Amino acid sequence: EDQVTQSPEALRLQEGESSSLNCSYTVSGLRGLFWYRQDPGKGPEFLFTLYSAGEEKEKERLKATLTKKESFLHITAPKPEDSATYLCAPRGSARQLTFGSGTQLTVLP
Amino acid sequence: KAGVTQTPRYLIKTRGQQVTLSCSPISGHRSVSWYQQTPGQGLQFLFEYFSETQRNKGNFPGRFSGRQFSNSRSEMNVSTLELGDSALYLCASSLLEGAEKLFFGSGTQLSVL
Repeated sequence: EDQVTQSPEALRLQEGESSSLNCSYTVSGLRGLFWYRQDPGKGPEFLFTLYSAGEEKEKERLKATLTKKESFLHITAPKPEDSATYLCAPRGSARQLTFGSGTQLTVLP
Repeated sequence: KAGVTQTPRYLIKTRGQQVTLSCSPISGHRSVSWYQQTPGQGLQFLFEYFSETQRNKGNFPGRFSGRQFSNSRSEMNVSTLELGDSALYLCASSLLEGAEKLFFGSGTQLSVL
């Protein structure tokens, strides 16, 4: 059974204080690791897809990386508008996403 | 380009009733997936439809069913509602089947009393 663990559950940062979110996974036949952002009252918004260990992708202040067992979402110099819940979801051989419980990020001005 | 549209936004039902939720995907998208989101279980996959055929199914009881029409619009039905079915039901569309780059709607918040 595919399993995903995200840590920490919640993270409070001061504006400009960089940090990383972790996503540990056990998936049979990984076919991509997806990161989404979810704001209150909305559906998740796609951020990145990573397909192989060593791959990195960047978007503004976010950078996602992938190893064989983990993915990290690095947030550099965050702003209050980066506050959201960040979800990771590996896709296995069953070709469906298994979502982690998310990291709720709060960036204080 | 319009996003994924889900209706209604909120629903209140009582135990034993049935409910139908609707989803209109992004124009040109042929895959529609449904997810249940609860505070305790997070986001869980219900099923995926592509070209009017169910292509994948999660671990939910048969009370949960869906269908997709020729215009790619999809409906999800839950029969004999239970208190535990209270959740946010999210629909996501994609160009390709198999959970590639999903675009989510804002969901239908279902409360079962």
